[in-house]
Parts: sequence; structure tokens; C-alpha cells
Amino acid sequence: NAGVTQTPKFQVLKTGQSMTLQCAQDMNHEYMSWYRQDPGMGLRLIHYSVGAGITDQGEVPNGYNVSRSTTEDFPLRLLSAAPSQTSVYFCASSYSLGQGRRTDTQYFGPGTRLTVL
Amino acid sequence: AQRVTQPEKLLSVFKGAPVELKCNYSYSGSPELFWYVQYSRQRLQLLLRHISRESIKGFTADLNKGETSFHLKKPFAQEEDSAMYYCALRGYGGATNKLIFGTGTLLAVQP
Repeated sequence: NAGVTQTPKFQVLKTGQSMTLQCAQDMNHEYMSWYRQDPGMGLRLIHYSVGAGITDQGEVPNGYNVSRSTTEDFPLRLLSAAPSQTSVYFCASSYSLGQGRRTDTQYFGPGTRLTVL
Repeated sequence: AQRVTQPEKLLSVFKGAPVELKCNYSYSGSPELFWYVQYSRQRLQLLLRHISRESIKGFTADLNKGETSFHLKKPFAQEEDSAMYYCALRGYGGATNKLIFGTGTLLAVQP
């Protein structure tokens, strides 16, 4: 298994440009999420999904859109990039709670380092 | 409100010295607590979780509900322990796997 993969690894955007950060997992995990990592702020949840067709907002959703058309993919879209969105973005996946599961490890991707000028 | 506090941004110790990375949480119900670690140029990965009560790479962490703490400890630090450590919380019984992370502590083990 490749686990959780993210593309691209690095990206530089100009203010106002749009782009999509890709995330895919091959573990048949129901739950997927996006975090941003900033110095002194830790990891903050942007959006998450508990299954195909279902998404919800996390702590810092403004400026980002997501969709979940398949179990495997969970792209993150920046509609109009701003310098405040300069960050490292991590995608994570895990089995959902329920079905007798009390807890499950979240598996993280390698991250995408985004700079907005 | 759910909150995780890691008061130290940086903890520097010498090889062989004991290590304690502090984590305090705020949660009204029964939380699940985790420690995640990120080594240099590697992805974030689970180190341990309180319900497992296990020792991973010599690290242990005990959930203290009275003090609302989940400090990470190791009796003798090794240079390869140098990494960024994140404490995380999830509300038990919730419908999702949402994790709330602390701001992280960078552990630097000096030779």
C-alpha cells in the first residue's frame, strides 16, 4: 500500500490564484481530513469527511473548499489564494469510529508546502 | 471547549537525561489522548495513545484526569528522539475522528 499520498510537494502561488491540493489513500479509509501546520499554532483542522459524499468544516475552513466524490480522494481547493494561506498542509485518513471501533490511528501524508506571494 | 496545551515550544536535554513533555487538556467528557511525533523530513505518525497503556520507543504517558494532563516521559533520552511532538485529543463517543492538536514541542537531544 502507498498509504496516504499528497501532490504536489511544493507550490508557490501568487495572491488571487486558485489551485487544488491532491490527497489520495489506498487503505479504504472512510475518514479523511485536511490540516494546516503553522509555527506556534500546531495542526489545525480545515475540513474533514466521514465518507464519500459527506464533508464538514473544521476549525479554520474559510478560504478552502473540499469534496469527496470517491472513498480514495479528498482534494482541497484554494479558490483565491492569500498570503495568510502560506503553510504546510497535511492530509490524514483513518477508519471511522463505529462498527465496534473505539479508536483508530490517523495516517498522515507527507505534506504540501505552499507559499503564497 | 476542547483544548490541548503544550506549554513548551522547545525542550533541550542531554543524551541520557530524563525527558518529560507536558500536555494539558480541557474537555468536559471522557477524552482520548494521543501523542504524535514528526521526525525531521518524515510525516507525522502516531507514537502512543492512552487507552493502549503501552511503551513505545521507551516513551510512556499516563492520563491523569484529576490534573487533566497526559505528559510524555522517557527515563533516558536518545539523540534519535529529537523530533517535534504533538499531543492530541479526541472526544470519546463522538461520531467522528476529529483530533484537536496542541501547538507542539520540539525536543532536541544534545550529544
